[in-house]
Amino acid sequence: DTEVTQTPKHLVMGMTNKKSLKCEQHMGHRAMYWYKQKAKKPPELMFVYSYEKLSINESVPSRFSPECPNSSLLNLHLHALQPEDSALYLCASSTHGDGNQPQHFGDGTRLSIL
Amino acid sequence: GQNIDQPTEMTATEGAIVQINCTYQTSGFNGLFWYQQHAGEAPTFLSYNVLDGLEEKGRFSSFLSRSKGYSYLLLKELQMKDSASYLCAGTFNQGGKLIFGQGTELSVKP
Repeated sequence: DTEVTQTPKHLVMGMTNKKSLKCEQHMGHRAMYWYKQKAKKPPELMFVYSYEKLSINESVPSRFSPECPNSSLLNLHLHALQPEDSALYLCASSTHGDGNQPQHFGDGTRLSIL
Repeated sequence: GQNIDQPTEMTATEGAIVQINCTYQTSGFNGLFWYQQHAGEAPTFLSYNVLDGLEEKGRFSSFLSRSKGYSYLLLKELQMKDSASYLCAGTFNQGGKLIFGQGTELSVKP
């Protein structure tokens, strides 16, 4: 069990669907992250939120839209995805966003695009 | 960019010791993390080194040499459950961004 909770665990969607991935942590962490991970590859950073503000966007296509409603929640809104977007999407959090504290990862959402 | 290099695969025997090496470019370097990731699971934090030297935590130890751009993860008394991917990740002068290596897939055999 991890202290970062992601829902849903699995998601299958068509290319025209709109869906959202959710992430929650109650450790009082003020930095939250979205990563994409393909099989046999390391996680690739997508977005960083620090104190509820977007601080890093790794040139992610606009079909991925992050949202941080409060310090405990992080969403990733999905629209018009492509088959190559099928991957494991990991959320992580850390005490601060300065890179000097470990990031704690959720179990991820396994996303399949039909 | 700040390349992080580590071997792709390693094999070791149950009960033995294995060392997984990681090298990185020293420009702008802050600190180095090691994570363990079992197949289908989340990465879990193992260690963080920011100063030179060895950090020991039970069966796992991690070493850092800032001047050489080199780190290793040492696993002692290997168990079958240690079979996993081990990710070396560095932070540089880019705030909270973790730069991951490709991961080392460790297979522990009886």
